[in-house]
Amino acid sequence: ETGVTQTPRHLVMGMTNKKSLKCEQHLGHNAMYWYKQSAKKPLELMFVYSLEERVENNSVPSRFSPECPNSSHLFLHLHTLQPEDSALYLCASSQDLFAPYNEQFFGPGTRLTVL
Amino acid sequence: KNQVEQSPQSLIILEGKNCTLQCNYTVSPFSNLRWYKQDTGRGPVSLTIMTFSENTKSNGRYTATLDADTKQSSLHITASQLSDSASYICVVSPNQGGKLIFGQGTELSVKP
Repeated sequence: ETGVTQTPRHLVMGMTNKKSLKCEQHLGHNAMYWYKQSAKKPLELMFVYSLEERVENNSVPSRFSPECPNSSHLFLHLHTLQPEDSALYLCASSQDLFAPYNEQFFGPGTRLTVL
Repeated sequence: KNQVEQSPQSLIILEGKNCTLQCNYTVSPFSNLRWYKQDTGRGPVSLTIMTFSENTKSNGRYTATLDADTKQSSLHITASQLSDSASYICVVSPNQGGKLIFGQGTELSVKP
């Protein structure tokens, strides 16, 4: 595997379910990001990790809970979601945190549908 | 407020034709601007990066321009192909780092 991978690619869940999204980067990067992408809207930054430490939580509801066990893996734990949380969830990584010329490399995303 | 606005929101063109996508930004101070291509069901992939001092940069059939005075950028696609059908996202990085500022994207559809 190369680049940034995400599993599952598609997820349908009820509002009372608990599920987790997984992201893995094979680039040796130090920073990882979770974004939410809704139709016709700009990407919304949710969480940022640098060297496994959370450095940013962009006013995200507590029903989204991130976890970064090591610099290569990032999880997003989901519980009691709402239908408006349905979106494409993208994981990204970059060599360093927010360095202006560092390209962010994105995974393919998880298409989440909340019923 | 730092913002990136793209136009048009969507565009349909015939295969082989050229097109130009626009990006206006109000990000200050400015470091660089990237154009990303996002295929359906995939994550965004960087096409070009332009810094303050660069006016134009090409990547195959893609040519990006930047006017830092008017804070405008464009992405010109020459001799479009069906595989160019995608969302094109303009992303601005503030100086000294910090969060990226994303545009809402232009949805391009190339028809045979």
